[in-house]
Amino acid sequence: DQQVKQNSPSLSVQEGRISILNCDYTNSMFDYFLWYKKYPAEGPTFLISISSIKDKNEDGRFTVFLNKSAKHLSLHIVPSQPGDSAVYFCAASVRQAGTALIFGKGTTLSVSS
Amino acid sequence: GAVVSQHPSRVICKSGTSVKIECRSLDFQATTMFWYRQFPKQSLMLMATSNEGSKATYEQGVEKDKFLINHASLTLSTLTVTSAHPEDSSFYICSANPNRNNEQFFGPGTRLTVL
Repeated sequence: DQQVKQNSPSLSVQEGRISILNCDYTNSMFDYFLWYKKYPAEGPTFLISISSIKDKNEDGRFTVFLNKSAKHLSLHIVPSQPGDSAVYFCAASVRQAGTALIFGKGTTLSVSS
Repeated sequence: GAVVSQHPSRVICKSGTSVKIECRSLDFQATTMFWYRQFPKQSLMLMATSNEGSKATYEQGVEKDKFLINHASLTLSTLTVTSAHPEDSSFYICSANPNRNNEQFFGPGTRLTVL
């Protein structure tokens, strides 16, 4: 059973617009969430994270929103740039360091100029 | 940020041979490292948790005798795919946690192709 779900396999956005990537989770024990960006044949690159005590975390063009009651989080990229085109993975874990991340299946973002 | 390296980046081998993949944390020490596998267009699937100085913890369905993990130092974990078969062909990625929250940093991955 998938504990972390990214239901949209792909998203296409025009340059300058907002990209919204969604993620749902089922395990209420998760209290730490991360977003990673991945290019083909490369390892994932950490983007941004949020702990369950917050509902929003912002870093430059990237903002992650967490709705604990809905077990839902989203990544907003504003403004979107062609270089943002990649696969975005949502991951969840318990906050304690040394625990494994559980990944969603990823969403492929394509930003056109 | 923390840097994790992997070697080799790509390996092609014959069926039945063993392949060793190294994962190193370059600027931090990691008591725990993780090994993932990614098949084409699939998510990253956790294979095992590598613990320095002790036995690795394997996920359900992962054969520990086939995927040997050794974490002999705080900066190096190795994954050995023993008697590799074509179905083991995949992209293997390691990650390490520099003990800041649980932000894991990933290596660049190793593409294994078994002929």
